[in-house]
Amino acid sequence: NAGVMQNPRHLVRRRGQEARLRCSPMKGHSHVYWYRQLPEEGLKFMVYLQKENIIDESGMPKERFSAEFPKEGPSILRIQQVVRGDSAAYFCASSRDSLDGYTFGSGTRLTVV
Amino acid sequence: QKEVEQNSGPLSVPEGAIASLNCTYSDRGSQSFFWYRQYSGKSPELIMFIYSNGDKEDGRFTAQLNKASQYVSLLIRDSQPSDSATYLCAVSVGGYQKVTFGIGTKLQVIP
Repeated sequence: NAGVMQNPRHLVRRRGQEARLRCSPMKGHSHVYWYRQLPEEGLKFMVYLQKENIIDESGMPKERFSAEFPKEGPSILRIQQVVRGDSAAYFCASSRDSLDGYTFGSGTRLTVV
Repeated sequence: QKEVEQNSGPLSVPEGAIASLNCTYSDRGSQSFFWYRQYSGKSPELIMFIYSNGDKEDGRFTAQLNKASQYVSLLIRDSQPSDSATYLCAVSVGGYQKVTFGIGTKLQVIP
């Protein structure tokens, strides 16, 4: 029973490029969350999705960032025109329902050079 | 005021002692409370959750919740060097599953 799968584990992008981060939730989990963690800082909520729906995107920057969770396939966090300040660890988590704790994926470490 | 507050530490305890980690939260509507452990360079791992006032025990871990004081704590008995990690307090409001995390407390267990 695979856990939450994130890929890639490490991603290096030059300024101005696009970054695509993928997340497949645990089997049976329909709730997906994306968090960003900067060095020495806590986890910051970005977006909460269910299949084909964005439930809460209050933590997403207004520009350049978008997320989706299509009917088929993984959830995607997309960052367009990356800047150095986007360098961080991006964690995806999933849960079975609204009362469960999260199961986190191993994260994607994004480095913008 | 931060939604979830924790002392970032480090909190140092000798091996075999009780480690006490504390957390306060600001939203009185909060109903679900979680403790996650995060080793350096790794992803957070859920270790405890609590919904009701009082204590909840699981092995060497005890979570304590006091909603009147908006306070939640985690006790680790017989601390081991392998417990050295950052402990994240997390809170969600009602049945809505957006979880807010504290900055985490770094625990060091000294052999």
